[in-house]
Amino acid sequence: DTEVTQTPKHLVMGMTNKKSLKCEQHMGHRAMYWYKQKAKKPPELMFVYSYEKLSINESVPSRFSPECPNSSLLNLHLHALQPEDSALYLCASSQGTRNEQFFGPGTRLTVL
Amino acid sequence: QKEVEQDPGPLSVPEGAIVSLNCTYSNSAFQYFMWYRQYSRKGPELLMYTYSSGNKEDGRFTAQVDKSSKYISLFIRDSQPSDSATYLCAMKDPGGYQKVTFGTGTKLQVIP
Repeated sequence: DTEVTQTPKHLVMGMTNKKSLKCEQHMGHRAMYWYKQKAKKPPELMFVYSYEKLSINESVPSRFSPECPNSSLLNLHLHALQPEDSALYLCASSQGTRNEQFFGPGTRLTVL
Repeated sequence: QKEVEQDPGPLSVPEGAIVSLNCTYSNSAFQYFMWYRQYSRKGPELLMYTYSSGNKEDGRFTAQVDKSSKYISLFIRDSQPSDSATYLCAMKDPGGYQKVTFGTGTKLQVIP
């Protein structure tokens, strides 16, 4: 199984809502990532978890809160987002130093 | 100067043509090189991974790395309309922990 799954596929939320994005992989990878991608731009790294511990936070605003409940799951909790946070949110996983990252299909988020 | 430069295109070619996609980089520490294909509104899909100078072939795809010139290429033979997508190069240095640096992507259109 070389698949990374993400739910939901689409999410529309208001600026006062609280929502969560979910990501799952069953490749035994020990590193998992959240990226944000705007139209016509490359993915922009947000967070990295390594062995279920947060190892990189790219100075992401606190309205984004990551969580790694176990080695297969990664969540991104959203609260009080701004319209400019509307984007495609991508989850990825990798193993070892080669760091070939496998991406999920993404969640398309719209903040009203 | 960006660490990784990639022509955004769009690049339009007729079906059956050989396509050449390129990236240049400035960081000589980069050792691992990847090419991703991203269809519109989907997550990036890993196409090729190389870690040394020279060529690597996989079906219709050939990845080429020239570390002395800091230049990588992806060749697509017998291009098909289904190859129409954005192609992202990505690279990593061994000391860069889990961070990957992406190019901005080249949009390719293969005309039937």
